[in-house]
Amino acid sequence: GIQVEQSPPDLILQEGANSTLRCNFSDSVNNLQWFHQNPWGQLINLFYIPSGTKQNGRLSATTVATERYSLLYISSSQTTDSGVYFCAVVSGAQKLVFGQGTRLTINP
Amino acid sequence: NAGVTQTPKFQVLKTGQSMTLQCAQDMNHEYMSWYRQDPGMGLRLIHYSVGAGITDQGEVPNGYNVSRSTTEDFPLRLLSAAPSQTSVYFCASSPSGTQSYTFGSGTRLTVV
Repeated sequence: GIQVEQSPPDLILQEGANSTLRCNFSDSVNNLQWFHQNPWGQLINLFYIPSGTKQNGRLSATTVATERYSLLYISSSQTTDSGVYFCAVVSGAQKLVFGQGTRLTINP
Repeated sequence: NAGVTQTPKFQVLKTGQSMTLQCAQDMNHEYMSWYRQDPGMGLRLIHYSVGAGITDQGEVPNGYNVSRSTTEDFPLRLLSAAPSQTSVYFCASSPSGTQSYTFGSGTRLTVV
């Protein structure tokens, strides 16, 4: 089946810094999602981005489907950005295949 | 509009016990699914349903049963709990054919 790899596994930054999270996937996909899991465990859908670039406030995402990777950018990080970021691809019938996540810690 | 509601939030079971994790959504979503989250492994799909009366297996279905008698409810049953089933369980729903997923807040299950 399709494999999803995320890097780095952990990232520790000071408030105000910028960060880039990467997601590689092993096969062509029609659907890629980014999720944020906050420190209380809640999963929030950030982006649906099968290709191209999208922006939502300080967050933006770019997917280059032909090269099988996606990037999540977080600018001017805030402590509320802390948590685990997951990318996931859809493998038929809306089944999500998740990467192992990047744990982001933003220190004040 | 409550979204996706999971109960209970925490549960401790003894090996061999059975229990049902409840999941209910009030958004009339056709698609529902169960995932388990283990440390360092992301979320893995257990079972899913594309509509009432239709269920199918995901990546890690062994030890779990599901049914979908109504659009709103998608319970996950553990028939004989094992320590390997200690995990955090998430239920998710989505309108059919869309890319918008809503997750419940999770159930933290410990099997001793």
